[in-house]
Amino acid sequence: NAGVMQNPRHLVRRRGQEARLRCSPMKGHSHVYWYRQLPEEGLKFMVYLQKENIIDESGMPKERFSAEFPKEGPSILRIQQVVRGDSAAYFCASSQDRARQPQHFGDGTRLSIL
Amino acid sequence: RKEVEQDPGPFNVPEGATVAFNCTYSNSASQSFFWYRQDCRKEPKLLMSVYSSGNEDGRFTAQLNRASQYISLLIRDSKLSDSATYLCVVIANAGNMLTFGGGTRLMVKP
Repeated sequence: NAGVMQNPRHLVRRRGQEARLRCSPMKGHSHVYWYRQLPEEGLKFMVYLQKENIIDESGMPKERFSAEFPKEGPSILRIQQVVRGDSAAYFCASSQDRARQPQHFGDGTRLSIL
Repeated sequence: RKEVEQDPGPFNVPEGATVAFNCTYSNSASQSFFWYRQDCRKEPKLLMSVYSSGNEDGRFTAQLNRASQYISLLIRDSKLSDSATYLCVVIANAGNMLTFGGGTRLMVKP
């Protein structure tokens, strides 16, 4: 499967725990993006990364959220001390290494906070 | 004003009908435009890019009007499988991130 791979598909956490979401881009893609879709709302940009660099994190909350895309391995979106309001679908997308290319999305991770 | 605005619908149409969606964007510096579809809260899937000259892919035709800052999608001969939410998506000049409209829901009935 050469598509964008996200895991886990579903993640349940209790308030105060940490959530780690993983994303492996499509083969040949070096740009990774994270988006969040709250229940009954549209998709909102969170962060844009290239290998070992955060290019734009303007959509990511300043506290508790962090993202990385290491030289080896998948991109990780990390949410510390989760709260109920973090419950959402988190989608990862990737694109080729050229400006303004269409992005292809993974299946998403549905995060539920108890 | 939202950066990308769409009529949320739903548009209820019979099979075989032609249906059109419009979308407006506020940032005149926007450079790239796309239509995605999203089924039942699954991942968005790229439907087509939108070019200034307009483009067609089978039953789907997309148009871009830069002067009026709107994008359209026309679906001919609607199928039941076209039922989905159609997302208008824009990339501004400054970066690569996608800005999504709220989506237009289409329901095709037998």
